[in-house]
Amino acid sequence: DAGVTQSPTHLIKTRGQHVTLRCSPISGHKSVSWYQQVLGQGPQFIFQYYEKEERGRGNFPDRFSARQFPNYSSELNVNALLLGDSALYLCASSLGTSGGVPPDTQYFGPGTRLTVL
Amino acid sequence: ELKVEQNPLFLSMQEGKNYTIYCNYSTTSDRLYWYRQDPGKSLESLFVLLSNGAVKQEGRLMASLDTKARLSTLHITAAVHDLSATYFCAVGNYGGSQGNLIFGKGTKLSVKP
Repeated sequence: DAGVTQSPTHLIKTRGQHVTLRCSPISGHKSVSWYQQVLGQGPQFIFQYYEKEERGRGNFPDRFSARQFPNYSSELNVNALLLGDSALYLCASSLGTSGGVPPDTQYFGPGTRLTVL
Repeated sequence: ELKVEQNPLFLSMQEGKNYTIYCNYSTTSDRLYWYRQDPGKSLESLFVLLSNGAVKQEGRLMASLDTKARLSTLHITAAVHDLSATYFCAVGNYGGSQGNLIFGKGTKLSVKP
């Protein structure tokens, strides 16, 4: 079975532009989470979606938004890019839960390397 | 706020030696993950520890969890060069409808001949 896939692999943008990153989860997984990993740091949680609904949001500005589609794939959108948005954006999929229980194992995709100039 | 601290952040080892990476977390959680990341690559799941006293081993790596002390350890036995990577621990953010992970800053391991 295919793992988590993400596109594009690399992306270069300039300040003020908009970017859309895409993620396809493992077949059968209903939950997708997005993380930002700045060089030299651990991944930071941005969003989690389960069954097309937002289930969690990290401490990121409103310039960051996401959605999940009926086929459980997901998009992460970032508006008005800043230099500080340069990072590896990781998508993780998991079977998902209906809430109130610890998260199950998340499987990470290869990531999208975003560079903002 | 749940915080996760790893130490050391950098570890240079000789092949054949043993060492331990420590992961402390600040609030109650009964699910602890260890991931490996090679340079420029994504995260590879190594271990999931689900209960107090859990111990898991794979090859030269062994992970344990003490939920009372809020501590997990990743022990490396007789290190080899192939183990060179960055190792992250992550704690499940338990409660409500959130299912995210809180990561430590990572331990960059370099194994030298």
